[in-house]
Amino acid sequence: DVKVTQSSRYLVKRTGEKVFLECVQDMDHENMFWYRQDPGLGLRLIYFSYDVKMKEKGDIPEGYSVSREKKERFSLILESASTNQTSMYLCAIQGYSTDTQYFGPGTRLTVL
Amino acid sequence: DQQVKQNSPSLSVQEGRISILNCDYTNSMFDYFLWYKKYPAEGPTFLISISSIKDKNEDGRFTVFLNKSAKHLSLHIVPSQPGDSAVYFCAGRNGNKLVFGAGTILRVKS
Repeated sequence: DVKVTQSSRYLVKRTGEKVFLECVQDMDHENMFWYRQDPGLGLRLIYFSYDVKMKEKGDIPEGYSVSREKKERFSLILESASTNQTSMYLCAIQGYSTDTQYFGPGTRLTVL
Repeated sequence: DQQVKQNSPSLSVQEGRISILNCDYTNSMFDYFLWYKKYPAEGPTFLISISSIKDKNEDGRFTVFLNKSAKHLSLHIVPSQPGDSAVYFCAGRNGNKLVFGAGTILRVKS
């Protein structure tokens, strides 16, 4: 079974705080992704990484950064959280030889 | 610019009947299409996919149809069950990136 874990299921932070969301996989997959899901907008890609220390911007990278120091771990960083970053954050993984992305359970982040 | 559109925000179906969820796309570079199912407070789970060179793929109660000339795909669920109630997302793949639609909420009434 594919296992993708995210550090928190629910998180409440204050405006201006630095926020770390972590994703860990046990599948040795090369590609890892961060999305946010908002009602009526579907899933939108924030950043992705295809190898250790490699990253590429997705469709909505503004206000976010990422870090991938180890293959199994991909972190999403909100440098200074704002209320419009209140959302469901989803991590996904994909191997080179697979067509499918597998998702973690998500982190519901509320920024007050 | 929405490359993948799911024009029906919600759909309500009686248990045992067919559910048909629709998806339109504009990007001709998509080489694969996927459907995901999502329950509240959980991550999306992969349901079924189809290559752009095929027109149909079936897996149990789930069938996906692709009409490339119309840039349209649909997911058929037969028979629908109450446990199928969830949000369904379609996605097109371009390279190693997926582009998702906004989702359709399916409610199956018993």
